[in-house]
Amino acid sequence: QVQLVESGGGLVKPGGSLRLSCAASGFTFSDYYMTWIRQTPGKGLEWVSYMSGSGTTVYYRDSVKGRFTISRDNAKNSLYLQMNSLRAGDTAVYYCARETRYYGTDVWGQGTTVTVSS
Amino acid sequence: DIQMTQSPPSLSASVGDRVTITCRASQNINSYLNWYQQIPGKAPKLLIYAASSLQSGVPSRFSGSGSGTDFTLTITSLQPADFGTYYCQQSYNSITFGGGTKVEIK
Repeated sequence: QVQLVESGGGLVKPGGSLRLSCAASGFTFSDYYMTWIRQTPGKGLEWVSYMSGSGTTVYYRDSVKGRFTISRDNAKNSLYLQMNSLRAGDTAVYYCARETRYYGTDVWGQGTTVTVSS
Repeated sequence: DIQMTQSPPSLSASVGDRVTITCRASQNINSYLNWYQQIPGKAPKLLIYAASSLQSGVPSRFSGSGSGTDFTLTITSLQPADFGTYYCQQSYNSITFGGGTKVEIK
């Protein structure tokens, strides 16, 4: 079945780095935009970044530009989020999801927790 | 950025009640409006896309309406499985979510 499984979350000190991974299965991965969305108790759901199926089009929210890098490996059906210079405000559950724009964010992973704390 | 404002922030209703949640966009988003349900500890689940289209597998008691800046999610007969938090999302320009509406069953 269609599935997304995230990994790579954890506890990291401010200024540190983490790389999140998302393994996709059950659909033609390269046909879809993929997105990272995060959720905090205070700010709710917040879009972070998305990337086109070919990898040629990329967008980021302003607060992560220059610190986060989204990438994908279509041969491995995998999406990644490299997070550098992490801040306390980046603490959240990070979801990988399939993005269809007009048809909604229709498939979500289970989420992986990132905690930035000294 | 397009801001999405949901109301009410929370509500409590009885099984069988009709429930309505509204979402307002800060600018015209045509029909690029989606609705999600989130159960605690789980990822959001897509219910309605393109303002009024029911996602496959979602019960027909859920419906959506609206276009432009004002949108509504209606649950015609609330069921125990419908508790959780509901979010609207615009995908017209980037992606932004509303603040959520927490639905409790009386």
